[in-house]
Amino acid sequence: AQSVAQPEDQVNVAEGNPLTVKCTYSVSGNPYLFWYVQYPNRGLQFLLKYITGDNLVKGSYGFEAEFNKSQTSFHLKKPSALVSDSALYFCAVIYSGNTPLVFGKGTRLSVIA
Amino acid sequence: EAGVTQFPSHSVIEKGQTVTLRCDPISGHDNLYWYRRVMGKEIKFLLHFVKESKQDESGMPNNRFLAERTGGTYSTLKVQPAELEDSGVYFCASSGQGPYNEQFFGPGTRLTVL
Repeated sequence: AQSVAQPEDQVNVAEGNPLTVKCTYSVSGNPYLFWYVQYPNRGLQFLLKYITGDNLVKGSYGFEAEFNKSQTSFHLKKPSALVSDSALYFCAVIYSGNTPLVFGKGTRLSVIA
Repeated sequence: EAGVTQFPSHSVIEKGQTVTLRCDPISGHDNLYWYRRVMGKEIKFLLHFVKESKQDESGMPNNRFLAERTGGTYSTLKVQPAELEDSGVYFCASSGQGPYNEQFFGPGTRLTVL
């Protein structure tokens, strides 16, 4: 079955430091991977996606993610964290077309000034 | 361009009552999805419309849930009768034609069943 794992419920990082939010996916065909962010009292906002091509994907707000097929991972990264990055981050996968997203349970990122 | 909108933002009802949630997708988006997040757990798929047709309703928990999409525009999700375990945040998302398009999400409706 398709699944996504986000092994950390909470990630704490100091402002200005690099951040990583981890995501791994189950192997089944060719995955198409997404990251979404949810700020308090807001809906999910699309950050970036990997469909094909370059394994390093750049997205909104300075975030990037690297698709690693051998490790079945798609970790979200940012070189320098901002307090305003504090939010709930979701990794998601689809395996074909416009099928529904399969989400991880989410990781709460807290950036401390 | 207006985003996906959902109404109401919050709903508190008693067990056994009926609630109807509404979603207005981005204009022109043929694909419309409903998802639900129960407190602290994953966001789970409920169903998928392509225009007015149900493409996939495998995530609907039981027959107390009824979704419609009138004329391929807005969609409603009715829960009748509501049970305690239906509490959660219901998200709607829409996407355009073509594969692998990102889905745009609404702000969600927080449903509390007492």
